[in-house]
Amino acid sequence: DVKVTQSSRYLVKRTGEKVFLECVQDMDHENMFWYRQDPGLGLRLIYFSYDVKMKEKGDIPEGYSVSREKKERFSLILESASTNQTSMYLCASRRDAGYGYTFGSGTRLTVV
Amino acid sequence: AQSVTQPDIHITVSEGASLELRCNYSYGATPYLFWYVQSPGQGLQLLLKYFSGDTLVQGIKGFEAEFKRSQSSFNLRKPSVHWSDAAEYFCAVGAQTGGFKTIFGAGTRLFVKA
Repeated sequence: DVKVTQSSRYLVKRTGEKVFLECVQDMDHENMFWYRQDPGLGLRLIYFSYDVKMKEKGDIPEGYSVSREKKERFSLILESASTNQTSMYLCASRRDAGYGYTFGSGTRLTVV
Repeated sequence: AQSVTQPDIHITVSEGASLELRCNYSYGATPYLFWYVQSPGQGLQLLLKYFSGDTLVQGIKGFEAEFKRSQSSFNLRKPSVHWSDAAEYFCAVGAQTGGFKTIFGAGTRLFVKA
């Protein structure tokens, strides 16, 4: 089975800090995604990547950036964390559109 | 506009009873359709998916879903619910040709009572 590993389950960061969320997948998938999940708002796409060094903005990219230097790793960066970025962050990968996503366990980020 | 609607925010069923979770979508082309389940504090797990062909699809954990094109629906069913099925369920649609985005519904939280 494909495994998607997010480096942290829980993080607490201070306002203004630069935050890195790491995601690694082990099945050579081309496509990787970052979502945030908030109560009542469902899953919202932040960024995705369909190849190494390629990235595309999702629906809510403001305040975030991403990096994909290697196929298996997709990092989400909060340049200057703010309290409204407190959320559950979910990383996912997939082979192509027909296969569905494999999600990581999520990182619950609290910005204080 | 493309959208996915799960009309029920939460549902409570008794253990052993049948379950149906509703999903309606609006999509310009023939979509891929998915159901995911999320246990508390966890990521989402794929339950089943529909591409084409037989409109009744079987998934893991004893779930099935039926695609009804005329109703733009993809409802999830289980004949007998177990306490371990308590979770949040998400319906999702994605493009079959081109495109990378998948649209998720807001989710339905399932409570199971003894």
